[in-house]
Amino acid sequence: DIQMTQSPSSLPASVGDRVTITCRASQNINNYLNWYQHKPGTAPKLLIYAASNLQTGVPSRFSGRGSGTDFTLTINGLQPEDFATYFCQQSFRPPPAFGQGTNVDVK
Amino acid sequence: EVELEQSGAEMKEPGESLRISCKGSGDRFTTSWIAWVRQMPGKSLEWMGIVYPEDSDTKYSPSFQGRVTMSADKSRNVAYLQWSSLRASDTAIYYCARHRQFLVGTMYYDALDLWGRGTVVIVSA
Repeated sequence: DIQMTQSPSSLPASVGDRVTITCRASQNINNYLNWYQHKPGTAPKLLIYAASNLQTGVPSRFSGRGSGTDFTLTINGLQPEDFATYFCQQSFRPPPAFGQGTNVDVK
Repeated sequence: EVELEQSGAEMKEPGESLRISCKGSGDRFTTSWIAWVRQMPGKSLEWMGIVYPEDSDTKYSPSFQGRVTMSADKSRNVAYLQWSSLRASDTAIYYCARHRQFLVGTMYYDALDLWGRGTVVIVSA
């Protein structure tokens, strides 16, 4: 199975910060990489698919990059509603594994 | 607005059976694969498998094959996840999510584009 590793696991940040989360795949997954946002007690939300494509309705301060094994999710100008946990997920080969999550919390 | 409504929290004892549900509103539910995703306490997300409500076809992750059963009732727009004999290790939040294929250029990419809020399952003696 393909393993997904995110870093950091915790990311203290302030409103207005530029935040970058990294996701690494255990093998080449081309650009078959999704990013999700999750807040406790709510439904997870798809942010980005195919590594860099913004899902409809997602603010443009979110962006994704990468291909092969290394990927990043960047939030430019962190907003109060962005404090959450972010997961990457590979969709290259089943089962579609998730990373362990990055918790963006208040510094 | 399309939503996935999940059934309420459950508290069960080891060995008991359980079925939880995920009801879709709006169109496309029966012609979309519905995934089930587990989140154990303090852990990440795990893709368990998918069910196609139109014909109840299923695909399971090897880690969950034989431990759970996924099914659907297309007449009611509902997908189910069930256990015949729960274990304490089944304690988790279970999410249903709609599987969608996005076309980018000439390639299709899979993602879970709509999620339920989760069903908490606690298994304890």
